[in-house]
Amino acid sequence: EAQLEESGGGLVQPGGSLRLSCVASGFDFGETEMNWVRQTPGKGLEWLSYISLSSSVKYYSDSVKGRFTISRDNAKNSLFLQLSRLTADDTAVYYCARDTRGSDGFDLWGQGTLVTVSS
Amino acid sequence: SYELTQPPSVSVSPGQTARITCSGDTLPQQYVYWYQQRAGQAPVLIIYKDSERPSGIPERFSGSTSGTTVTLTISGVRAEDEADYYCQSADNNGGYLRVFAGGTKLTVL
Repeated sequence: EAQLEESGGGLVQPGGSLRLSCVASGFDFGETEMNWVRQTPGKGLEWLSYISLSSSVKYYSDSVKGRFTISRDNAKNSLFLQLSRLTADDTAVYYCARDTRGSDGFDLWGQGTLVTVSS
Repeated sequence: SYELTQPPSVSVSPGQTARITCSGDTLPQQYVYWYQQRAGQAPVLIIYKDSERPSGIPERFSGSTSGTTVTLTISGVRAEDEADYYCQSADNNGGYLRVFAGGTKLTVL
């Protein structure tokens, strides 16, 4: 069964940094484009970042460009998101999500990891 | 900016048909994807490319499109269908952008 499992969330002070991880299992991670999506408390979903198979192409939403960095380690079936210069507005559940092959949706999501930015 | 619009809430009785709309000026040129998110759970893809169903998704979930509006239809609604539903589309002109609408809370009365 294909699965994604995030970790690394927690409480961080404003201006701080955090590194999120996502481990994939049950499918060929190295052949799959990946994304990060977040959901703020009580609100909707926001796409954050995309990474290609070989990490050669990366995209970011305007809200996180320059502050967040996506990366992956195909040998370890892992996806990462480095968060920096965090503000209260970054408080959210962060999901890793698999690109639907041949289309623009997300066909597999992890259970999410909560990041709380507060002093 | 790229925006998608959904009604905040829809309510139906069990066995009835629920229709949730998603509107956006670029939808005639882009596919829409629908996700179901039950309370405390991660989103699940239930419709892709406007009207296709992933394996394992019941046939009572269907999607249709008309101009700038795409509709998710749930026939014979069950109590277990109570959830938030989100539509999502893409804008790949000049880059890579995925946009979600604000979501619709489906209440089964």
